[in-house]
Amino acid sequence: EPEVTQTPSHQVTQMGQEVILRCVPISNHLYFYWYRQILGQKVEFLVSFYNNEISEKSEIFDDQFSVERPDGSNFTLKIRSTKLEDSAMYFCASSEALQREGYEQYFGPGTRLTVT
Amino acid sequence: RKEVEQDPGPFNVPEGATVAFNCTYSNSASQSFFWYRQDCRKEPKLLMSVYSSGNEDGRFTAQLNRASQYISLLIRDSKLSDSATYLCVVKIYNFNKFYFGSGTKLNVKP
Repeated sequence: EPEVTQTPSHQVTQMGQEVILRCVPISNHLYFYWYRQILGQKVEFLVSFYNNEISEKSEIFDDQFSVERPDGSNFTLKIRSTKLEDSAMYFCASSEALQREGYEQYFGPGTRLTVT
Repeated sequence: RKEVEQDPGPFNVPEGATVAFNCTYSNSASQSFFWYRQDCRKEPKLLMSVYSSGNEDGRFTAQLNRASQYISLLIRDSKLSDSATYLCVVKIYNFNKFYFGSGTKLNVKP
């Protein structure tokens, strides 16, 4: 069964450093997403991406964040200058085009980001 | 006001019990609805989409009430493996953005 993969599974970085989180969405999917989940809190939408551009972003997704699809398979989230409060689990998700009544998203296993 | 609200639980039920969760949403332009389950420190996994007419998948039944703006999930004959947090997810019409509830925790006991 096809699945979304993410690397690394755990990233430790110092405050102020740049990090790049990588995702390989399911190959025939067209819509890509990043979410974060701070420990003990709910899953929060960051950004959606379609046709090589951002389609929606949340208020969390400020100028410190950027996304890219550098080739036909990878989808990356970059945080330019990490802060302590960026420590969270980051999930990538992908979905096909509209199916029946909704967009069913499939999530990767996540990257745990720890900022020290 | 939160976009999606859920009772955090926990719901503690014995094996074989029937349990129901509700989720309310605030935006009447909400278009698509989903239930996901999340095990501790794992990714959300799609359980089922919620269709306007309601839908069933084995022991799981989902219903949508647009007039009252809530969706429900019914689990029959609970198994130990059903223990997880159940997440309600809503997509707004014409926006490629999804809102998650905080989740309802279910503990199924032997």
